[in-house]
Amino acid sequence: GAGVSQSPSNKVTEKGKDVELRCDPISGHTALYWYRQSLGQGLEFLIYFQGNSAPDKSGLPSDRFSAERTGGSVSTLTIQRTQQEDSAVYLCASSLMRLLLHGIQGSQETQYFGPGTRLLVL
Amino acid sequence: GQQLNQSPQSMFIQEGEDVSMNCTSSSIFNTWLWYKQDPGEGPVLLIALYKAGELTSNGRLTAQFGITRKDSFLNISASIPSDVGIYFCAGRHQTGANNLFFGTGTRLTVIP
Repeated sequence: GAGVSQSPSNKVTEKGKDVELRCDPISGHTALYWYRQSLGQGLEFLIYFQGNSAPDKSGLPSDRFSAERTGGSVSTLTIQRTQQEDSAVYLCASSLMRLLLHGIQGSQETQYFGPGTRLLVL
Repeated sequence: GQQLNQSPQSMFIQEGEDVSMNCTSSSIFNTWLWYKQDPGEGPVLLIALYKAGELTSNGRLTAQFGITRKDSFLNISASIPSDVGIYFCAGRHQTGANNLFFGTGTRLTVIP
């Protein structure tokens, strides 16, 4: 398909176990984002990748969370020693960064979201 | 992280009615976005606003970027059953900034 895909769609794990979540962005998209959505809440930014630049990890809630993006395409979000409060939907988005030549507004982009991974930590 | 104040939290309306929802922030945003999320899916962008005062339409949807740059509203005219879902506003502080701040969502139910 042409959209962002994520796997697994659902994951149930026991407290203390590690989990890996995968995101396949849209081909050609240079920017990739991870968000967390808790029940009944909006999305919380976690981490951002742009090309070969160092990722923006400012949204990661603790050092148990980490993410990689290999070859500028697929990304994995790893949560170590999961806790019950990690239960949420983890959403990935990708975008094609476009820079306005005159720089008045900097960059504009549209983020395309995947369907998410529903994580339940028991 | 920061979340925007979005209201109302939920709405129950009759098919054909118009809908209005809004978002406010204590800080200035350079970009306002409105998304819709269906159950089991990721959010889908509806409208993007990049200038204060900008009024943009997308079919039956109209959104405005507030003059103060601290608020935005979304209107849906002549609602239909497929408008059901959760609507989120999102804002970006700086042009080119990496992260979006999201509202808590407005859950819309349309009664046929």
